[in-house]
Amino acid sequence: KAGVTQTPRYLIKTRGQQVTLSCSPISGHRSVSWYQQTPGQGLQFLFEYFSETQRNKGNFPGRFSGRQFSNSRSEMNVSTLELGDSALYLCASRQQSPSGELFFGEGSRLTVL
Amino acid sequence: GENVEQHPSTLSVQEGDSAVIKCTYSDSASNYFPWYKQELGKRPQLIIDIRSNVGEKKDQRIAVTLNKTAKHFSLHITETQPEDSAVYFCAAKDDYKLSFGAGTTVTVRA
Repeated sequence: KAGVTQTPRYLIKTRGQQVTLSCSPISGHRSVSWYQQTPGQGLQFLFEYFSETQRNKGNFPGRFSGRQFSNSRSEMNVSTLELGDSALYLCASRQQSPSGELFFGEGSRLTVL
Repeated sequence: GENVEQHPSTLSVQEGDSAVIKCTYSDSASNYFPWYKQELGKRPQLIIDIRSNVGEKKDQRIAVTLNKTAKHFSLHITETQPEDSAVYFCAAKDDYKLSFGAGTTVTVRA
């Protein structure tokens, strides 16, 4: 069974630009969550989607948005990039149960210059 | 919302010794507490979890304890080995959201 796939793996943007990251969950997993990982801050929850609906949202500004498609694939978008948005963005999928194991992708490393 | 604090932020242990990482959470409604291990350059992976109706769980050299009254839980690694060197994250589930601690970098010295 293929794991969680994230694209692109690395990208460099400049301040003010926008970026879209993609996540393909494990087949059969309907829940997709997004996390921002920065040194010293751990994993900060961005949002979770289940069956194309945002089920929960973290404390990030409105510049961070996401969506989920009918095939469970998910995208997140960050508009008007700031230097502080430089981070590893991790996507994780799981089956329906909210207490189920999260399976993480390898992440998308975003650098904002 | 849930707030998870994790200590220490770094931990260095001699190979063969034990390592203990402690976490506290704020929401008494949290009922699921997993631990994830992230090796350098790799994705986080679940190593053990515990639910609120259980006080302790073991899996070979790792164990987790939960004190619901005090709202804290701990990870214990015994007989540490070089492959235990990694960043460990605790987490607590609040509704559908999993809130993570800031992580503990564990280094096992040979």
